[in-house]
Amino acid sequence: AQKITQTQPGMFVQEKEAVTLDCTYDTSDPSYGLFWYKQPSSGEMIFLIYQGSYDQQNATEGRYSLNFQKARKSANLVISASQLGDSAMYFCAMRAKGHASGGSYIPTFGRGTSLIVHP
Amino acid sequence: ETGVTQTPRHLVMGMTNKKSLKCEQHLGHNAMYWYKQSAKKPLELMFVYSLEERVENNSVPSRFSPECPNSSHLFLHLHTLQPEDSALYLCASSQDPGSLYEQYFGPGTRLTVT
Repeated sequence: AQKITQTQPGMFVQEKEAVTLDCTYDTSDPSYGLFWYKQPSSGEMIFLIYQGSYDQQNATEGRYSLNFQKARKSANLVISASQLGDSAMYFCAMRAKGHASGGSYIPTFGRGTSLIVHP
Repeated sequence: ETGVTQTPRHLVMGMTNKKSLKCEQHLGHNAMYWYKQSAKKPLELMFVYSLEERVENNSVPSRFSPECPNSSHLFLHLHTLQPEDSALYLCASSQDPGSLYEQYFGPGTRLTVT
């Protein structure tokens, strides 16, 4: 079974500092993708960053980077130079094929981490 | 319009009502998804459609009935719902369910069942 675990229900960070949001995953599939999404209070989920299971380098997108440690099955999100607008829920997600769906990569989401950025 | 749109944004319905949620994507994607987001649970995948064919149904009660008439439109028909069905319902699309592209989400429909 596919599983995503986010152990931090809430995190606080000072503006302009870096913060790491934890994510561990479990799958037996060799091919999978790891994603991070941001959900502001408005409700819409916004894609931030993607890491493929075969990617050798850690993914980076602007202020976002993904610390991918395959042996530990972890995919932590690092946000550098936090801004007030970064306050939101952050979801780690995985897409893997598992046992189902004739070749479709089925998404699984974690419970999310609420990030609050203080001025 | 661009991206993924959902209507209505808010819906209040009684347990005996019938209503439908609508999702439309303007991204040329081939896969569409329905999710349920409750206050104290992880995001729950309900249905996945690939080119109008349902490829995943995660043991969703029959009072939720999806419809995908074409690759741009997805509906969720609701009937005889329960109060515990109150949640945010999110629609998403991706380029292809068989590849590892990211999903694009709509703003959601906030459903309250009274």
